[in-house]
Amino acid sequence: DVKVTQSSRYLVKRTGEKVFLECVQDMDHENMFWYRQDPGLGLRLIYFSYDVKMKEKGDIPEGYSVSREKKERFSLILESASTNQTSMYLCASSPTSGSYNEQFFGPGTRLTVL
Amino acid sequence: SQKIEQNSEALNIQEGKTATLTCNYTNYSPAYLQWYRQDPGRGPVFLLLIRENEKEKRKERLKVTFDTTLKQSLFHITASQPADSATYLCGISGPGRRALTFGSGTRLQVQP
Repeated sequence: DVKVTQSSRYLVKRTGEKVFLECVQDMDHENMFWYRQDPGLGLRLIYFSYDVKMKEKGDIPEGYSVSREKKERFSLILESASTNQTSMYLCASSPTSGSYNEQFFGPGTRLTVL
Repeated sequence: SQKIEQNSEALNIQEGKTATLTCNYTNYSPAYLQWYRQDPGRGPVFLLLIRENEKEKRKERLKVTFDTTLKQSLFHITASQPADSATYLCGISGPGRRALTFGSGTRLQVQP
C-alpha cells in the first residue's frame, strides 16, 4: 500500500516562528502536493512539485515556500507563521506525470498559530 | 473565476436508500473529475475517477455521472449503510494540469 506520512499530527507555534511541515511518500511518486483545509473552504492547493527541485505555485502560495531535495520528501515552510495560517495541512502524492492519476493523502497536520 | 460547488448542507438519509451528492462547476473545461471520501481527522481517500468523454462510471455500490453540458457530476451510493457516513469531495482537473481543484465537500449521514 502507498503510504504518505506527515511529520506531526498536531503542532502549536507562535506568531513569527518559522515552521517546517514534512511529508514523505514511499512509492516513488513524481508528483507531490500541499493543501490546506479550512471549514467551508475545502481543500486549497498551496504548492505542488512534479520532480525533485521542481515546484509550482498553487492557488494560495502567499506566506509559504516549499522544498523538494529528494523524490520522496516534500517540505512546506511557513517563513513567519501568522494566526491566519492556523489550519489543517494535507500532503498528497500521485504516481505519474500524467494528470489522470489518483492522489494519495497523508493523515494531515493540524497547525495552530498563537 | 473558476468555481466548484458542492452542497454545503449535510445530507441525511436512511440506511438502505440511495444517496446522491452533487458537484457543479463553472468557468471550467475539466478533463476529468475525481471523488474522494474523507473521515473526520483523516486525509481524503480516492474513490472514483471519470473522464470528460465518459458519461458514467461504477464501482460496487458507487456510481458517478459526468454531464459536461450541465457542468455537473452526480455521485450515487446505493443501498447506503451507516459506515458510508463521511464527507465526500469532488476534485476537477483540466487538460495538462497536474493538480486538482477541490470543492468544499458534502457531509453524508446515514441513519440506521
